[in-house]
Amino acid sequence: DVKVTQSSRYLVKRTGEKVFLECVQDMDHENMFWYRQDPGLGLRLIYFSYDVKMKEKGDIPEGYSVSREKKERFSLILESASTNQTSMYLCASSLELALGTYEQYFGPGTRLTVT
Amino acid sequence: GDSVTQMEGPVTLSEEAFLTINCTYTATGYPSLFWYVQYPGEGLQLLLKATKADDKGSNKGFEATYRKETTSFHLEKGSVQVSDSAVYFCALFNQAGTALIFGKGTTLSVSS
Repeated sequence: DVKVTQSSRYLVKRTGEKVFLECVQDMDHENMFWYRQDPGLGLRLIYFSYDVKMKEKGDIPEGYSVSREKKERFSLILESASTNQTSMYLCASSLELALGTYEQYFGPGTRLTVT
Repeated sequence: GDSVTQMEGPVTLSEEAFLTINCTYTATGYPSLFWYVQYPGEGLQLLLKATKADDKGSNKGFEATYRKETTSFHLEKGSVQVSDSAVYFCALFNQAGTALIFGKGTTLSVSS
């Protein structure tokens, strides 16, 4: 069964802290994604990666960075957390079967609160 | 740029009622279209998809037809159940084909 796991379901951090959100997939997928989900805004893409050590900015990359050292793991880093980064963070992965037709599989999400 | 617009929620229905959630899109060309569902406390799951005009995606009693002429992909179900209570997201691939663009989501609440 397809599985995407995220390191924490709930996380509380203080303003200015460095925060790591980890995502692991066991499907040997090439592509991995980080989204944030906010009420009334839907999902917005932060970063994605189509290969190890490769990354591309999404729609809202400011304040975030990512790391992909191994194919199965994609980390989201908040260098200095701020209260406006309080959100639900969703990781996803996909196998590119053909351009435009692949399915993304999502993890359960990490609800991050920055105080 | 590409975008997805879906009806505002919440949508509140009684069990066995008919459901329609409207979704329209703006995109260059003919992108693949998706409906994802998020049950309480869980991540998103693919509900159905359509890859070309006039395709009908279906799953778990839900259906949506890719209408090129109206740039729409409305989600329908003939008889909803309490277990269908969730947030529903319409989505398409961006122009580069590299990532999904989501609508804002529609919350469905079904009561018995």
